Amino acid sequence: KAGVTQTPRYLIKTRGQQVTLSCSPISGHRSVSWYQQTPGQGLQFLFEYFSETQRNKGNFPGRFSGRQFSNSRSEMNVSTLELGDSALYLCASSLEPGTGSYEQYFGPGTRLTVT
Amino acid sequence: EDQVTQSPEALRLQEGESSSLNCSYTVSGLRGLFWYRQDPGKGPEFLFTLYSAGEEKEKERLKATLTKKESFLHITAPKPEDSATYLCAGVAGNQFYFGTGTSLTVIP
Repeated sequence: KAGVTQTPRYLIKTRGQQVTLSCSPISGHRSVSWYQQTPGQGLQFLFEYFSETQRNKGNFPGRFSGRQFSNSRSEMNVSTLELGDSALYLCASSLEPGTGSYEQYFGPGTRLTVT
Repeated sequence: EDQVTQSPEALRLQEGESSSLNCSYTVSGLRGLFWYRQDPGKGPEFLFTLYSAGEEKEKERLKATLTKKESFLHITAPKPEDSATYLCAGVAGNQFYFGTGTSLTVIP
């Protein structure tokens, strides 16, 4: 079974630009979560999507947004990039909520560098 | 405030020298405690889930245990390939709370 895939793997952007990252979950997984990982802060939760609806949201500004499509693929968008947005962005998929399984499986991440 | 704290931040072991990593949590309504391994430049790799105090799970040289306040990841006779960052996370209300990890280096 294929794992979680994320594209692109690496991205370099300039301050003020916007960026869109993509995530394809494991087949059969309908919940997708996004995280930001930086050396100082560790893994921080951005948001979670299930059935095309955002179910949970972390403490990030409105510049960070996401969406999920009917095939469970998800995208996240960051507008007006700041230097501090440089990080590894990780996507994790899991079975639908309510199944009793909370196991998340992570993709390899997208390394975003803002210059 | 829901929080997960890991210690130590970094650990260097000689090959074969057993040790334990600690994960203490204050997460209301904890539904599960997770351990992940993360290699540089990669996403975290799922290791274990623990759901109730007293539960233990093993995989090769790793054993995870859970009490009402903390979890331990015991590493028995580690090898250099066990070098990685180990993350723990508590889940409550469908949200994960991650610790900042323990960076483990095993020296041959």
